[in-house]
Order: sequence, then C-alpha cells, then structure tokens
Amino acid sequence: GENVEQHPSTLSVQEGDSAVIKCTYSDSASNYFPWYKQELGKRPQLIIDIRSNVGEKKDQRIAVTLNKTAKHFSLHITETQPEDSAVYFCAASGGSSNTGKLIFGQGTTLQVKP
Amino acid sequence: DSGVTQTPKHLITATGQRVTLRCSPRSGDLSVYWYQQSLDQGLQFLIQYYNGEERAKGNILERFSAQQFPDLHSELNLSSLELGDSALYFCASSVGWGDGNTIYFGEGSWLTVV
Repeated sequence: GENVEQHPSTLSVQEGDSAVIKCTYSDSASNYFPWYKQELGKRPQLIIDIRSNVGEKKDQRIAVTLNKTAKHFSLHITETQPEDSAVYFCAASGGSSNTGKLIFGQGTTLQVKP
Repeated sequence: DSGVTQTPKHLITATGQRVTLRCSPRSGDLSVYWYQQSLDQGLQFLIQYYNGEERAKGNILERFSAQQFPDLHSELNLSSLELGDSALYFCASSVGWGDGNTIYFGEGSWLTVV
C-alpha cells in the first residue's frame, strides 16, 4: 500500500548549520509532496511543497528537492535558528487513488542548539 | 489561524464511552480529512469527505465513524473507547479533492481515555 519513510527520526544541529531530512515514497503515481512543521502541542503547518513537474523549490532558508525516478524527496534548512526546532513531517499525496489525502512520514524531531 | 475550527479542544472520558469531535472547515473548502496522532506517533490518516460524500478511507477502526453534513462541517464519532484511543485528533480541509490541493489543519482535539 501507500507508504512514506522518513529519516532521520531525530536530528540535532548547531545554530547556523544546515539540516537535511529525507523521505521516500512507495506510490509512483504520487505527484504532490508537502512538508509540515509541528511545534509541541500545535497543529502541523505547511512550510513548503513541491509538485512532480518541479525538481527543486526554494523559499528563503528552506528548500525541497524531488527525485521522481528514485521516489525520494528532501527538505533542506540552511542557517538554522533555535526557532526551527520542531517536528517536521514529509507527506505524499494519495497517488493512484487521486483523492488528495496525504500519507505522512513518521516525523523528524529537529533540535537546533544555540 | 488556519481557519479550520475544531471542538472540543480537550476531552477526558472513560473507557467504553462514546464521544463526538466536531470540525468546521475553512470557508470555501469542500474536503475534510481526519487524522489521528498518538503520543510520539506520526499522523495517521483516518477518513476523507468531499462535499458530503466519503472519498477515502484509511486505518479507521470499525468503532469510529464520521460524516460530513450539508453545511460542510464534519463529525468524528468514537465509540466503545479504549485507553489506546487517547490521542490528538486533527481535522484538516482543502478546497477540492485530488492531489495537489493544499491541506490546512485545525488545532486538534485532545482526547484522553481513562
């Protein structure tokens, strides 16, 4: 069935360093890949997304890359700041079912040390 | 504020009981999704409705049911509650159905079963 794997589960970096989170998906028909940031006890918030006709997208310190052939996509955060500390979830659209539902990865807890 | 409204925010109930969680989507959104997030767990897709009709079903237990009403609000009914049902239940909405629609999450309903 549809599955999204996310790595690493935890990531600790020094302030100012870069952070990279990687995801792979199983349904080759998936064509929409959003990333959500969730602070403790809060709702997931969309931070960036990419569609299958684009290989890379950047928004200030955040970038996402997509490799459809390998079925993986990554989140890159540069010049990390303490306020970037949160849980990050990757997701893939439902793919073959084309309903729009998102299948999420297991999440990555990012800790940025001052 | 995402515009997705969920009530109640917190709920404590006993095992064997039944509860109803309510969600109002963003103005203009026709799709509603329900997700379950247990402690230290990712976001598990439960069910999706579009304009009153069920569109997709995930790992939703038979003890759980949902519906979307003509005014587009949705309710998630959880019955014969067990301790393991304690979780944060998120409602999300999007304008349409189909891959690529941006999905916005509500603040969630914290359910504690004692």
